[in-house]
Amino acid sequence: QVQLQESGPGLVKPSETLSLTCAVSGASINSYDWSWIRQPPGKGLEWIGYMYNGESRNHNPSLKSRVTISVDTTKNQFSLKLRSVTAADTAVYYCAKIESGNYDAFDIWGQGTVVTVSS
Amino acid sequence: DIQMTQSPSSLSASVGDRVTITCRASQSISTYLNWYQQRPGKAPKLLIYGSSSLHGGVPSRFSGGRSGTDFTLTISSLQPEDFASYYCQQSYSAPYSFGQGTKLEIK
Repeated sequence: QVQLQESGPGLVKPSETLSLTCAVSGASINSYDWSWIRQPPGKGLEWIGYMYNGESRNHNPSLKSRVTISVDTTKNQFSLKLRSVTAADTAVYYCAKIESGNYDAFDIWGQGTVVTVSS
Repeated sequence: DIQMTQSPSSLSASVGDRVTITCRASQSISTYLNWYQQRPGKAPKLLIYGSSSLHGGVPSRFSGGRSGTDFTLTISSLQPEDFASYYCQQSYSAPYSFGQGTKLEIK
């Protein structure tokens, strides 16, 4: 049973870098592909980016290249960095597993972590 | 980028009702359309992938359909636990995009 758990600071100052980690249990991180998704308060879901094969990465152009997604195979986890944050980046951040054999659907999600951008 | 337009944004219904939610893609996405359910304060859960395939453990009262670039999620007989928000999502090409969501409320 694959499980995901996000972690990181709940409060980030404007212009700083948001850093989150998603710990994967129940499977090797090299066995699947992974994604980050966020949800501003009271709003819908926004795809942030993904990584395939532990190396290839893509992110939402709307985030203007502020995104870095990386993997740490020794810790079986992957990470998100979002630079130069503003209040608009306040959201619940989710990590998710991509089921590549099933139309790249997000079949397993972490519980989400709340990040507030405020001074 | 592919835009997903979901309707209605909210819907009131009663237990036992049959309801349908629609999602329209701005261009062809073949059958790369997935549906999620989100209860308040919880992470989304995958219901349907590939426009019509039921994810494991999802009740058979949920079904998905497609006509061209129009997709539907139908719940055949609403149960109390089905009152939640629903989102469509295209996985045809990046950037992956979600519909705006439909909030299903008890009438």
